[in-house]
Amino acid sequence: EPEVTQTPSHQVTQMGQEVILRCVPISNHLYFYWYRQILGQKVEFLVSFYNNEISEKSEIFDDQFSVERPDGSNFTLKIRSTKLEDSAMYFCASRGGQGITYEQYFGPGTRLTVT
Amino acid sequence: AQKVTQAQTEISVVEKEDVTLDCVYETRDTTYYLFWYKQPPSGELVFLIRRNSFDEQNEISGRYSWNFQKSTSSFNFTITASQVVDSAVYFCALSEAPRGSARQLTFGSGTQLTVLP
Repeated sequence: EPEVTQTPSHQVTQMGQEVILRCVPISNHLYFYWYRQILGQKVEFLVSFYNNEISEKSEIFDDQFSVERPDGSNFTLKIRSTKLEDSAMYFCASRGGQGITYEQYFGPGTRLTVT
Repeated sequence: AQKVTQAQTEISVVEKEDVTLDCVYETRDTTYYLFWYKQPPSGELVFLIRRNSFDEQNEISGRYSWNFQKSTSSFNFTITASQVVDSAVYFCALSEAPRGSARQLTFGSGTQLTVLP
């Protein structure tokens, strides 16, 4: 069964460093998302991506964040200068598209720890 | 703006008991989708069910059932004869769908279900 994969599973970085979180969505899906979950809290939307551009973003997704689909398979989230409060689990999700499927399938997550 | 409320922060039951997880939502859209996801201790988010706003039929899948009521803006989830493996955090989520195309998910705060042996 196809699934969303994410690497690395755990990333430790120092404050101020850049990190790139990687995701491989399900191959025939058209919509891609990043969410984050601070420990013990709810899952929060960061950004959605469709047709090679950002379709929506939340207030959390400020200038320190960027997303890219550099090739036909990967979908990346970059944090330019990490802060302590960026420590969270980051989930990538993908969805088939209108008339195909509306549910989002999530990857296993990348736990980001900023020290 | 859309909002999902899961008032039950934690529920603890003994194995084989039935348990219902409550979810109340708010949206201004007439077309939307509701979801339940399970987050076991390992941390991943597992999709359980999707309901469309225009389909109020209740659904049963094995020990799981869902009760969608637009009149009360609720989408409750019942586990019958609970098992220890059901222990997890359960999230209810809403996606508005202007022009039929579902947008990002808004999650509730989750309900931690603990099933004791």
